[in-house]
Amino acid sequence: DIVMTQSPDSLAVSLGERATINCKSSQSVLYSSNNKNYLAWYQQKPGQPPKLLIYWASTRESGVPDRFSGSGSGTDFTLTISSLQAEDVAVYYCQHMYTFGQGTKLEIK
Amino acid sequence: EVQLVESGGGLVQAGRSLRLSCTASGFTFGEYAMSWVRQAPGKGLEWVGFIRIKAYGGTTEYAASVKGRFTISRDDSKSIAYLQMNSLKTEDTAVYYCTGLGEATQTFDYWGQGTLVTVSS
Repeated sequence: DIVMTQSPDSLAVSLGERATINCKSSQSVLYSSNNKNYLAWYQQKPGQPPKLLIYWASTRESGVPDRFSGSGSGTDFTLTISSLQAEDVAVYYCQHMYTFGQGTKLEIK
Repeated sequence: EVQLVESGGGLVQAGRSLRLSCTASGFTFGEYAMSWVRQAPGKGLEWVGFIRIKAYGGTTEYAASVKGRFTISRDDSKSIAYLQMNSLKTEDTAVYYCTGLGEATQTFDYWGQGTLVTVSS
C-alpha cells in the first residue's frame, strides 16, 4: 500500500508570508496512461469537513483562491500558499486514491 | 447546491451494530461513486470504503480495518447511501463523513458535515 507522508506536521507563518507544505508518496502517483499525477490537497478548518483544493497535483478546484498552488510529480509534491491570510488557518491533507497524509496544521505566527 | 446529510450516529456499545445514512441532493447521485471517510477525535482522515455506480456494477471496496464488519450500499431512487457497521469496536469511534467520489480525478469532491459515532466498552 502507498504511504503518504507530509512535512512538517505543523508550521506557523506570518500573515502575508508564504506557506509551504510537502507530501511524499512511497510510490509514484504518476499514471503513464494519461500522464496525470493522482495527488490532491484538502483544507480542513476547525469544526468543518475537509474541502478539496487541488487535484491532479496542480489543478485548482473551482472557487479556490489563486494564492493556493500545487506542484510536483511522481513522489514529491508541494502545496504553496503564496500570501497567508487569516482564513487559511487549517489542517491540510494530501491524498492519493484511498490514502491520506497525516495532515499539516497551519497556524499564524 | 450540493448537499450531503449524514444521520444515524450516536453512542453504541462495543459489539453492537449501527447504520448510517447519507442523503444527497444537488447532483446526479446515480452518476457518483459514494465513499465514507472517518476521523477519530483529534486525528487525521481515514478512508472507510466506497461503492461504485450501478454502471460499474455497484461493487464495493473497503479498508482493511473494517472489511468484513462494514457494508456500504446505495439506493439511487432515493439518493441515499448507507454504511452498515457491525461488530463495532472502540477504535471505530469517529466522525463519519459521507463523500462523493470524483471518478476522473479520484478525489473526494463532496463532503457532508459528518455524524459522530461513539463506541463504548
